Amino acid sequence: DQQVKQNSPSLSVQEGRISILNCDYTNSMFDYFLWYKKYPAEGPTFLISISSIKDKNEDGRFTVFLNKSAKHLSLHIVPSQPGDSAVYFCAAIRNSGNTPLVFGKGTRLSVIA
Amino acid sequence: ETGVTQTPRHLVMGMTNKKSLKCEQHLGHNAMYWYKQSAKKPLELMFVYNFKEQTENNSVPSRFSPECPNSSHLFLHLHTLQPEDSALYLCASSQGTGNYEQYFGPGTRLTVT
Repeated sequence: DQQVKQNSPSLSVQEGRISILNCDYTNSMFDYFLWYKKYPAEGPTFLISISSIKDKNEDGRFTVFLNKSAKHLSLHIVPSQPGDSAVYFCAAIRNSGNTPLVFGKGTRLSVIA
Repeated sequence: ETGVTQTPRHLVMGMTNKKSLKCEQHLGHNAMYWYKQSAKKPLELMFVYNFKEQTENNSVPSRFSPECPNSSHLFLHLHTLQPEDSALYLCASSQGTGNYEQYFGPGTRLTVT
């Protein structure tokens, strides 16, 4: 049973517009969430994270929103750039920190110039 | 070299072969991980090592045998694999297992024929 779900396998967005990537989780014990970005032929790289005590975290063009009651988080990229085209993985963990990260299947974002 | 490196980047092996994947991290981290990424599946954690000690074996078949001689090096020994083991194998490291930001290598693309 998947605990972290990314239901959209792919997303296409025009350059300059907003990209919204969604992630749902089922385990209410998760309290720290991360987004990773992966280019072809490279490993995933950490992008942004959020603790469950917050509902928003912003870093430049990237903002992550967390809705704990809905067990939903989203990554907003504004404005989207062609270099943002990659696979984005959502991951979650329990605050004990000694349990492994649980990843979603990823969403492939294509930013069209 | 910086970051996390993996060799080889590509590997094709028969079901009766024995091969090893190598991972090296130059970040001074204490924890290292093996993940498997199959097509259309989430990243699956295989093994976790913390200070050279294995702390997690995620029900991985014995045909996969990890080795961690020191905190900087991690191996995955492969023996009598099956075609369904074909996947991208990713190594990652972090400061400790309680540190959420894992740094990934580029992966080894394994094909079992």
